[in-house]
Parts: sequence; C-alpha cells; structure tokens
Amino acid sequence: SQQGEEDPQALSIQEGENATMNCSYKTSINNLQWYRQNSGRGLVHLILIRSNEREKHSGRLRVTLDTSKKSSSLLITASRAADTASYFCATDQTGANNLFFGTGTRLTVIP
Amino acid sequence: GAGVSQSPSNKVTEKGKDVELRCDPISGHTALYWYRQRLGQGLEFLIYFQGNSAPDKSGLPSDRFSAERTGESVSTLTIQRTQQEDSAVYLCASRTGARSYGYTFGSGTRLTVV
Repeated sequence: SQQGEEDPQALSIQEGENATMNCSYKTSINNLQWYRQNSGRGLVHLILIRSNEREKHSGRLRVTLDTSKKSSSLLITASRAADTASYFCATDQTGANNLFFGTGTRLTVIP
Repeated sequence: GAGVSQSPSNKVTEKGKDVELRCDPISGHTALYWYRQRLGQGLEFLIYFQGNSAPDKSGLPSDRFSAERTGESVSTLTIQRTQQEDSAVYLCASRTGARSYGYTFGSGTRLTVV
C-alpha cells in the first residue's frame, strides 16, 4: 500500500502532557505533512517537512523526519483539551500527483 | 473565496439514484483534489485536477464515478446509480501550484445511501 500508517491508533492523555504520534511510510517522498481533523470533517494542514529536513517546529508542534527509516513523528507539547482530534500524516511521494494519507491517530486530551 | 466550499453539507439518497457534489476551491488555486473517507478510516484519493491539464482519474473506484472541472473554478463529482458502499464523507481540497504548500480542505459532503 502507498498509504502511511500512524501509531498509535488511539492515544489518551491528561491536559498539559505531551503527545507523540508516529508515522511510517514505504516509498521515496518529496515531503511529509501532518493534518488535524475534528469531528470527521475537513482536515486542517498543520506542518510540512521536506525530505531534506530533519526537524521542524511550529508553536507547540515539533515534527521530525528520518528518511532512512521512512518514519516521522509529531510531538504536541503542553496539550490542551482543544487538541482533541484525529491526526493524519500524508506523504507527497515521488512521481505521484496526490498526497497519500495514513490511517490516523485519534488523540483525546482529558481536561 | 476565503476557503474551500463544498455543497451540500449532507446528502441522503436512495440506492440507485445519481448524486452530484460540488466543490468551490480557493481562488487562484490551480490544483484540486477529491478524496473519500469512510467512517473511521483514512482518506482515499479519487481524482486530481491541475489547471487545464488532463485530470488524474487513477483513484476513481468504478465507472459510476466521474468528475469535472472547468479551468480553475468549480468542480463537480458525480456518482451514478449509488450503492450503499458509496456512503462516506467526500472531501475536496485545493492547493496552489507549488508542491511545497499543504492542501486546504473543505468541510466535506456526508453522503448516506439508504
């Protein structure tokens, strides 16, 4: 399959804790992106990391990319109840026109 | 517009009927995508439009599915003779021409075939 896979499938943490989600993929990529989805509707783009980058930060988000292991991680620090959502990684694969989305991690942040 | 607009928001149809879903992308976004998301699952690519180039239809699951886009404007996704397995949220996204930018998604159309 060209889709990525997120791990874990579900994660439940207390407010203020950090949340880490992982993504693995199988092909060569141009970039990897993370998206958030609330209530099964539209996705919101969070961050994009290029294949020649190893780490990127945006606010409370930290993304790492290891192209040798074909994996990425998304860290959300000091989580809030409003971070409760599903998080998807998506790969922009070499030679493809579209993004390939993973199966998602369902994050629940308990107030 | 300010965002990607999809209509209708919800659609309930009887098995065997045709449905048409609409997507209005962000002005100036040359790339437009349709995805399908079944309950609790990831996104499944359907079709991609880039400017006036021939669309990439490689994700369409059957010949009952078709989509059109005129230039860089509105797109419609048509499902003919709907089946219960077509029930899903249909998501549209647009992007500028540059691949270094992420997608902007609409809120989707929730299709229920009864």
